[in-house]
Amino acid sequence: DAKTTQPNSMESNEEEPVHLPCNHSTISGTDYIHWYRQLPSQGPEYVIHGLTSNVNNRMASLAIAEDRKSSTLILHRATLRDAAVYYCILRDDSNYQLIWGAGTKLIIKP
Amino acid sequence: DTEVTQTPKHLVMGMTNKKSLKCEQHMGHRAMYWYKQKAKKPPELMFVYSYEKLSINESVPSRFSPECPNSSLLNLHLHALQPEDSALYLCASSRTGGNTIYFGEGSWLTVV
Repeated sequence: DAKTTQPNSMESNEEEPVHLPCNHSTISGTDYIHWYRQLPSQGPEYVIHGLTSNVNNRMASLAIAEDRKSSTLILHRATLRDAAVYYCILRDDSNYQLIWGAGTKLIIKP
Repeated sequence: DTEVTQTPKHLVMGMTNKKSLKCEQHMGHRAMYWYKQKAKKPPELMFVYSYEKLSINESVPSRFSPECPNSSLLNLHLHALQPEDSALYLCASSRTGGNTIYFGEGSWLTVV
């Protein structure tokens, strides 16, 4: 079964870019790469997703390696409100299953 | 603000009690989910309803009983729970075939 591997935690300074890595070496061709984040005492929140090409939205950018075995979530200018656990997730387009990574706790220093 | 509303936010129940968790969404989503999340762990899928029919049951013990009365509501009936069932229970919804899943804020359950 496919799985994702993420660092347990990362620290960054406020107003600097943050690069959150994820390895998914056993990804299959139909798996989408999703990122969700979970702020303290809240449910997970969608951040971004992609299949093969890099993606940008108002929250973040997703850079996907050419072989799709890894990806990086990029927060261009972190704020204190971005402190959360960020989950890298694989989703098979054919069903409702999400394969969650263990999550990276992002700490933002003022 | 989340558009998936869960009640109650906190619930304490004894092992012999019967209680229910409720979830509501008005986004027109026809897929609804229950997840269980323990501290410092990612959410674990419990049940998926698609068009008000149970489509996935991840081998959840029968003391958890889901119900989908209509396309906007999802319930989780709880009976004879164990202390290890204490967790955050998350409801979520999405379009069928949609890529974005919307989560509620969760119901914190403590079994004593």
